[in-house]
Amino acid sequence: RKEVEQDPGPFNVPEGATVAFNCTYSNSASQSFFWYRQDCRKEPKLLMSVYSSGNEDGRFTAQLNRASQYISLLIRDSKLSDSATYLCVVNGRENSGYSTLTFGKGTMLLVSP
Amino acid sequence: DTGVSQNPRHKITKRGQNVTFRCDPISEHNRLYWYRQTLGQGPEFLTYFQNEAQLEKSRLLSDRFSAERPKGSFSTLEIQRTEQGDSAMYLCASSLTWDRRNTEAFFGQGTRLTVV
Repeated sequence: RKEVEQDPGPFNVPEGATVAFNCTYSNSASQSFFWYRQDCRKEPKLLMSVYSSGNEDGRFTAQLNRASQYISLLIRDSKLSDSATYLCVVNGRENSGYSTLTFGKGTMLLVSP
Repeated sequence: DTGVSQNPRHKITKRGQNVTFRCDPISEHNRLYWYRQTLGQGPEFLTYFQNEAQLEKSRLLSDRFSAERPKGSFSTLEIQRTEQGDSAMYLCASSLTWDRRNTEAFFGQGTRLTVV
């Protein structure tokens, strides 16, 4: 099982649609979770952290299920500017006792007029 | 600009040559990461530093790769005897860590390496 696994893309949706991305992780000792956004040929940028209680930032809602080792990102009322690759990121504890950030492959979203 | 800075932005080199990339993290950040990204893939972890100590190295990091962070500030990543398979975007990120917990990482714009 891959350390961080995401839905394969791309997702093609019309403007205004609601889209959900799923992510699973294998390291049960993982402590922190994030969604990053990456535009074409740009660096990844933090979209939002994911908290156990779930959190919302405008049109974006992130959920975490520790028991199932599952993270989701919901985007409501999609905009053309939401077109990008969404990366699921997990902060897991390594054998050394320290932790590092592990990225999924990313899911590409294409929002069309 | 107080963000993460990487130099050069682009590097074209002939196979077999050595290359060195530099990363200047956000000044108060104690953790620095190096990642490699190829087209259609997410960033792949290479190595990271906690201050000047290199704590983890990926299996991806062959003997040809070496990274340093001599004074716990900027870092360099050197690739010796480059191969065409080394062509990728090399991303540096930094974060603030306390009590072994990691806050979000901020990325530089990357160095795009092309080996011809």
